[in-house]
Amino acid sequence: DAGITQSPRHKVTETGTPVTLRCHQTENHRYMYWYRQDPGHGLRLIHYSYGVKDTDKGEVSDGYSVSRSKTEDFLLTLESATSSQTSVYFCAISPESSNSNQPQHFGDGTRLSIL
Amino acid sequence: EDQVTQSPEALRLQEGESSSLNCSYTVSGLRGLFWYRQDPGKGPEFLFTLYSAGEEKEKERLKATLTKKESFLHITAPKPEDSATYLCAVRYAGGFKTIFGAGTRLFVKA
Repeated sequence: DAGITQSPRHKVTETGTPVTLRCHQTENHRYMYWYRQDPGHGLRLIHYSYGVKDTDKGEVSDGYSVSRSKTEDFLLTLESATSSQTSVYFCAISPESSNSNQPQHFGDGTRLSIL
Repeated sequence: EDQVTQSPEALRLQEGESSSLNCSYTVSGLRGLFWYRQDPGKGPEFLFTLYSAGEEKEKERLKATLTKKESFLHITAPKPEDSATYLCAVRYAGGFKTIFGAGTRLFVKA
């Protein structure tokens, strides 16, 4: 299994509070991704990173920010959580470049509930 | 609009009853089609990559095939442990962009 650890695995918080989710990898892969998964939807990309301090937006980035200060760590922050951000969040990694066809490998997710 | 559609949404089989899951896509410049398996409470687990029409990949009771507009995941003589959600994803022209389908939930009864 790819060495990907997400923390926390579960979190319940209140609307308006800041939340940070962490993804840690031991594979030294260049690319890291944050997705959310909701019933009836496929995985949707929030943000991704192509190197330390290099990040870009995905299709559902509003209300989220990310940071990557080390190759192995990718943080997702909800500055002021809203109920619409209740979801399961997955981190993924892949090697090489954006033009490669390598599959992404996923962590086991963080289940986030915002009350 | 670029889309990936999986059907059926859910499939219930008896053990040993073979069937197929479908993944259709409407993107230009396919770079790769990926199949994943996802168990409850877990992240997607990579199964196969298909690159071009006519390609086939096999793993145990699973066989994935690809045409120009769709892919099939054939399950031969399934067992209860094959019960999971199967996800299809498409990477296409434009670099990193990958679109995931909503998945097919497979239930195999002993």
